[in-house]
Amino acid sequence: DAGVIQSPRHEVTEMGQEVTLRCKPISGHDYLFWYRQTMMRGLELLIYFNNNVPIDDSGMPEDRFSAKMPNASFSTLKIQPSEPRDSAVYFCASSSEELGLNYGYTFGSGTRLTVV
Amino acid sequence: EDQVTQSPEALRLQEGESSSLNCSYTVSGLRGLFWYRQDPGKGPEFLFTLYSAGEEKEKERLKATLTKKESFLHITAPKPEDSATYLCAVLLGAGGSYIPTFGRGTSLIVHP
Repeated sequence: DAGVIQSPRHEVTEMGQEVTLRCKPISGHDYLFWYRQTMMRGLELLIYFNNNVPIDDSGMPEDRFSAKMPNASFSTLKIQPSEPRDSAVYFCASSSEELGLNYGYTFGSGTRLTVV
Repeated sequence: EDQVTQSPEALRLQEGESSSLNCSYTVSGLRGLFWYRQDPGKGPEFLFTLYSAGEEKEKERLKATLTKKESFLHITAPKPEDSATYLCAVLLGAGGSYIPTFGRGTSLIVHP
């Protein structure tokens, strides 16, 4: 398996533009997580899905953020409009377990977003 | 207040110089504590899960231990390839978050 695949790896956009981040989880993993990592706040959970259904989106910072999972092999995280404070590395992770106790979460390589 | 605190923030070691990283947590009802390794430009990679005080787990030069309020990641005779950021995360029991909460990590550099 190629692991969790995220695209793009880097994104530079101007303030106010729409940004869409993409994720392909590991086949067979029922749980998909979106995290954001910054120096100030570390790794924060934004939202997670189980069998394509959003379970907890309490970490989504504002209505400007939205996430979808139209099928088991694809998810998107959209920011509209983007702001400079959204600059961070966004990670997608997947797992066969909700809590990740036995095998942990498998993370992608992340998308580094810069909003100027 | 952070629920998970890692120290030190950064650590530089010479190859072969053993040391420990600390992860302390301020909440009760721990259901599990995780250690992950993160290389530059990559996502975190799962290392261990610890469940109860007194438990230990090992992987190559790494040994993780757990007490009631903290965990240590001991690195014995480290090599340059052990250089990475090490993250811990806690999973709380009933009434707490059911998704792991991560600390900010310890950046480890091992010089040859």
